[in-house]
Amino acid sequence: DAKTTQPTSMDCAEGRAANLPCNHSTISGNEYVYWYRQIHSQGPQYIIHGLKNNETNEMASLIITEDRKSSTLILPHATLRDTAVYYCIVPIQGAQKLVFGQGTRLTINP
Amino acid sequence: DAGVTQSPTHLIKTRGQHVTLRCSPISGHKSVSWYQQVLGQGPQFIFQYYEKEERGRGNFPDRFSARQFPNYSSELNVNALLLGDSALYLCASSLAPGLGNEKLFFGSGTQLSVL
Repeated sequence: DAKTTQPTSMDCAEGRAANLPCNHSTISGNEYVYWYRQIHSQGPQYIIHGLKNNETNEMASLIITEDRKSSTLILPHATLRDTAVYYCIVPIQGAQKLVFGQGTRLTINP
Repeated sequence: DAGVTQSPTHLIKTRGQHVTLRCSPISGHKSVSWYQQVLGQGPQFIFQYYEKEERGRGNFPDRFSARQFPNYSSELNVNALLLGDSALYLCASSLAPGLGNEKLFFGSGTQLSVL
């Protein structure tokens, strides 16, 4: 899988936007960028994915740079329940598996 | 709609025993994957099944096996348990086998402790 690099941890104040960066400089033209998160003791939860255009859903926005070598996940108004480990993943096209790295441990502070 | 359901939620076994973990995918999903998550690490891929056939296998010993049933539910079996098998075992389902543009939906997992 295309290797992704994320900061180990981040903090954000409740009510502010949380911006989580991810580098994926070896991404191929047909590979998607996925974001999942895992709240303590639960299974990972799908957040959003995109190919080259920016994407937005009810949970978050995904901004992908024009060269596709990096992306940013934006949680527009972070709440305490957004405290979790966030994984940026680039599965190989048609691959059967997700390769999870260490992710970014996001802590939302009151 | 029910999500991915796994049973049991917690399990305690002793070394050398075997264990069977069960997973029911979301209705309409035909692909089931299994992941192992050791404390402090991200999930690691074990198996994927689609239409009852194995479509992918991770780097796990032959003590690990799985199968998928006609109703698309799945079982993960682990024989000759070792202390290192203690982990959260996650099941995920999706509509299709490829992950290029496909979401995975995870269950809450089975926490296995091997003593």
